[in-house]
Amino acid sequence: NAGVTQTPKFQVLKTGQSMTLQCAQDMNHEYMSWYRQDPGMGLRLIHYSVGAGITDQGEVPNGYNVSRSTTEDFPLRLLSAAPSQTSVYFCATWFPGAPDTQYFGPGTRLTVL
Amino acid sequence: AQSVSQHNHHVILSEAASLELGCNYSYGGTVNLFWYVQYPGQHLQLLLKYFSGDPLVKGIKGFEAEFIKSKFSFNLRKPSVQWSDTAEYFCAVNAHRGGATNKLIFGTGTLLAVQP
Repeated sequence: NAGVTQTPKFQVLKTGQSMTLQCAQDMNHEYMSWYRQDPGMGLRLIHYSVGAGITDQGEVPNGYNVSRSTTEDFPLRLLSAAPSQTSVYFCATWFPGAPDTQYFGPGTRLTVL
Repeated sequence: AQSVSQHNHHVILSEAASLELGCNYSYGGTVNLFWYVQYPGQHLQLLLKYFSGDPLVKGIKGFEAEFIKSKFSFNLRKPSVQWSDTAEYFCAVNAHRGGATNKLIFGTGTLLAVQP
């Protein structure tokens, strides 16, 4: 039981490049979210999903796309990376009705040059 | 829109000192409240949570928090900190709206440094 896994752990991009941050969970949780963590700003919600095929925007969705084709996976796509997207990205999952069982992944540290 | 305020951005304490970290939220309805901790180089871990009932909740590692509804506050306390408590602490609120409890709003975090 791996819980929540994120890949890669570290990534360096050039401005304008695209990439996908992967998040996978093996707990059969319906709810999954992506956050970014920046110094002095805490964690901010980017996108979230309440189940396969259902996604919605969080606080800071611009520049990011998501999709949820399966319960297990919730990839975050940067279509054209910008230096402002340099951050640490965390994926989280939980089961509806039981928000105390939230699990966070280990994070992806992204640097955009 | 809901928001969470943590007024202490950086706290430095000596071992055995008492700790209180402030957290205030803005939302008039039913809320679930959380404190998370992030140790250096690690991901977030749940310290404690409040859903209903006794407003004084106890979490792991000797931490506790008190929900004061009239003050919209959920302050974190520990009577005697240890060097190993050095970490960043985040308050978070999950506001209820007819059952959708998937949006967790975080505060900006408080960095606690405990000196031996």
